[in-house]
Amino acid sequence: EAGVTQFPSHSVIEKGQTVTLRCDPISGHDNLYWYRRVMGKEIKFLLHFVKESKQDESGMPNNRFLAERTGGTYSTLKVQPAELEDSGVYFCASSPYLGRDRDEQYFGPGTRLTVT
Amino acid sequence: AQSVTQLGSHVSVSEGALVLLRCNYSSSVPPYLFWYVQYPNQGLQLLLKYTTGATLVKGINGFEAEFKKSETSFHLTKPSAHMSDAAEYFCAVRGPRDDMRFGAGTRLTVKP
Repeated sequence: EAGVTQFPSHSVIEKGQTVTLRCDPISGHDNLYWYRRVMGKEIKFLLHFVKESKQDESGMPNNRFLAERTGGTYSTLKVQPAELEDSGVYFCASSPYLGRDRDEQYFGPGTRLTVT
Repeated sequence: AQSVTQLGSHVSVSEGALVLLRCNYSSSVPPYLFWYVQYPNQGLQLLLKYTTGATLVKGINGFEAEFKKSETSFHLTKPSAHMSDAAEYFCAVRGPRDDMRFGAGTRLTVKP
């Protein structure tokens, strides 16, 4: 079974540009989460999808961030326009909606975003 | 609100020595607690979890953790460190809306 995958692994962009991060969850996982770790700080929750619906986006920092999950499969997180403080590692995680494993979130390798 | 605090951002042990990584939690409801590990250039991997039942939880790679309600702790231990254990370790508690709330992380160094 393939794990959670994220693309790209690294992205370096200039302030003011747009970047789109992609996450492919484990097949069959209805829950999808985005997290971010800014340098030296805790990993922070951004938002949670159940299938294609946003269940909770209370962690999104501002309206420069837009997450989508069309069709309830992969998700994208777009930052437009990027600012210096957006630099960090963006993690995606998924979990099944039901079953014993629903308590576990399976994480992807992360996308390291650097805004210069 | 649920939260965790990891004591010590860096821990260094000798190979073969006991590993003890500390985590204290705060929760108004019975907590679901987790330990994750991140090896260099990799994603977060679940080491173990506590939801209900037995308070001593065994995980992968010889790690275990004990849920102690009286001490609001969930410390991670391994009897004998191996060089391959060098990584960053994260304690987490599940939030009210299924989000994970992480500690700041503890970087473990294993000396030969």
